[in-house]
Formats: sequence, structure tokens, C-alpha cells
Amino acid sequence: EPEVTQTPSHQVTQMGQEVILRCVPISNHLYFYWYRQILGQKVEFLVSFYNNEISEKSEIFDDQFSVERPDGSNFTLKIRSTKLEDSAMYFCASSVTSPPGTQYFGPGTRLLVL
Amino acid sequence: GENVEQHPSTLSVQEGDSAVIKCTYSDSASNYFPWYKQELGKRPQLIIDIRSNVGEKKDQRIAVTLNKTAKHFSLHITETQPEDSAVYFCAASTSNFGNEKLTFGTGTRLTIIP
Repeated sequence: EPEVTQTPSHQVTQMGQEVILRCVPISNHLYFYWYRQILGQKVEFLVSFYNNEISEKSEIFDDQFSVERPDGSNFTLKIRSTKLEDSAMYFCASSVTSPPGTQYFGPGTRLLVL
Repeated sequence: GENVEQHPSTLSVQEGDSAVIKCTYSDSASNYFPWYKQELGKRPQLIIDIRSNVGEKKDQRIAVTLNKTAKHFSLHITETQPEDSAVYFCAASTSNFGNEKLTFGTGTRLTIIP
């Protein structure tokens, strides 16, 4: 069964550094999402992406964040200048065609900002 | 925006008994309600979902009910087994074409006592 994949599984970075989190959505999916989960808390929506543009973003997704689909398979989340409070598990998700579509989550990238 | 409340935060049941987790939502336009199971350090896994044109859905030992008037939905797990132990998240979504962001509840830690 196809699955969403994410790399790296863990990332440790210094405050102020840039990080890029990578996702490969399920191949026939058209809608892509990033969520984050701070340890012990609920999953929070960051951004949705469709047809090569952002559909919606949350207030968490400020100017330090950007997303890109650089080719036909990858979907990336960039944090330009990381802060301590960016430490969290970041999940990519994708869904197929017509709404409402079931969202399938990747295994996550655990980001630790020191 | 949408707000999803989830209760209880923790739940312990004897193996073989039933477990019920309840969620309420605030946005009457929400029309898709998935439930995710998350084991420690793992991705959220969809276990069942319901759309607003349906009042109840069942899949083996798992069932979900939806009351649109009261804006609440519930997860029912019967004949619980040790492998049901996990954190369960409800979510709600308002389908706009190209954007189906999920708003999650705060989670219920379910422990099955052998």
C-alpha cells in the first residue's frame, strides 16, 4: 500500500539556522499539507497546498515558513531561521482528488532546535 | 475558525469492555470527521471517518456516530484489546475545494487494562 514518506526522521539544528523538511506524497494525490505536533500536544495545521500554490495557512505559518513542490514528487517545508519554539514533530499529509478527501500522514520529522 | 473539543483526555478500560470518546465542534459548515489513532512516536493513522450526510458508520469493532444538530461526534470501540492502547484524535474539516485543513481535538489517551 502506498505511503507518504518523509526525510529526515530526525533533525537537530541551532537556533537561527535554516532547515528543509522533505516529503514524498502518495503519487496520485493532489492536495498536500503540513502539520506540526509539539510534544504531548495536539496536531496543528500549518499549510495546505494545491495546484502549485498555498490554499490556506495558519497563523503559525509566518514569513519564516515556506513550502515548495520543486518537482513532480517532492513537497518541502522550509523554516528560514529556526526558533526554539519550532521544536516539534512535523507531519506531511496528502489526499486525493475531490473533497472531502482522506488525509494520509507521513511518519514525521522530529525537529529539535537548540 | 473551527474549534474541536475532545473528552476525556485519558481513559482506562478493562480488556473486553467498550470505550467511548466524544468530540464537539463549533463550525456548522464542517462536513468531514475523521478519527486518527497515534501510537507513541508514530504517525496518526486514520481508523474511521464519517461525512455529514451519514449519522453512523461501523467498521468491525469501531463505530462513529455524528449528531449534526448538536455538533458532536463520538468514537465507540467494542471488545477492546491491548493493541487498542494509543492516543486517539478526532478532527473536523470544512471542505473547500483545494483546502481541507483538519482541526484536531486535544486527544484521548486510551489504556486497555489486561
